[in-house]
Amino acid sequence: DVKVTQSSRYLVKRTGEKVFLECVQDMDHENMFWYRQDPGLGLRLIYFSYDVKMKEKGDIPEGYSVSREKKERFSLILESASTNQTSMYLCASSNPGPTRKQFFGPGTRLTVL
Amino acid sequence: DQQVKQNSPSLSVQEGRISILNCDYTNSMFDYFLWYKKYPAEGPTFLISISSIKDKNEDGRFTVFLNKSAKHLSLHIVPSQPGDSAVYFCAASVVSGAQKLVFGQGTRLTINP
Repeated sequence: DVKVTQSSRYLVKRTGEKVFLECVQDMDHENMFWYRQDPGLGLRLIYFSYDVKMKEKGDIPEGYSVSREKKERFSLILESASTNQTSMYLCASSNPGPTRKQFFGPGTRLTVL
Repeated sequence: DQQVKQNSPSLSVQEGRISILNCDYTNSMFDYFLWYKKYPAEGPTFLISISSIKDKNEDGRFTVFLNKSAKHLSLHIVPSQPGDSAVYFCAASVVSGAQKLVFGQGTRLTINP
């Protein structure tokens, strides 16, 4: 089974801090994604990567950046955390193919005070 | 601009009856649709999918129907079980490099004993 792991399940940070969220997948997937989930808004795509060192903005990239130095690892960076970035952050991975299926990690609940 | 919409935030169904979750989309370029199920504090897990060349796909208790002319899909769960209580997200995809998914807002399904 594909396994996607995220570095923390729960995280509390202060406004203005730099925050790193790490995601690792073990199935050699080419594509990796970062979403945030908020009540009533579903999952919204922040950034995605289709290859090492390649990244593209999703629908809500403002205030975030990403890094993919190795195929299995995709990091989400909040340069200066703000209270409106309090959310559930979900990482996913997939391979190109007909099924489009993405495999998700357990999520990180981030609270910014 | 919400391209994928789940207009019912919640649904309550009696155990053993049919649950019907609905999803509408606006982008006619979507050619693949997926349903995910999410329990609290866990990542979404893939449930079932359908290609736009089909109008029905069945997997055990779960059936997805696609009406392309109406840009509408639905997920039927028969019979509903208590373990089906979760948030259900529909997602849509177009053929592209990283095959991004666009998610709806989610519907919280509660199965009552």
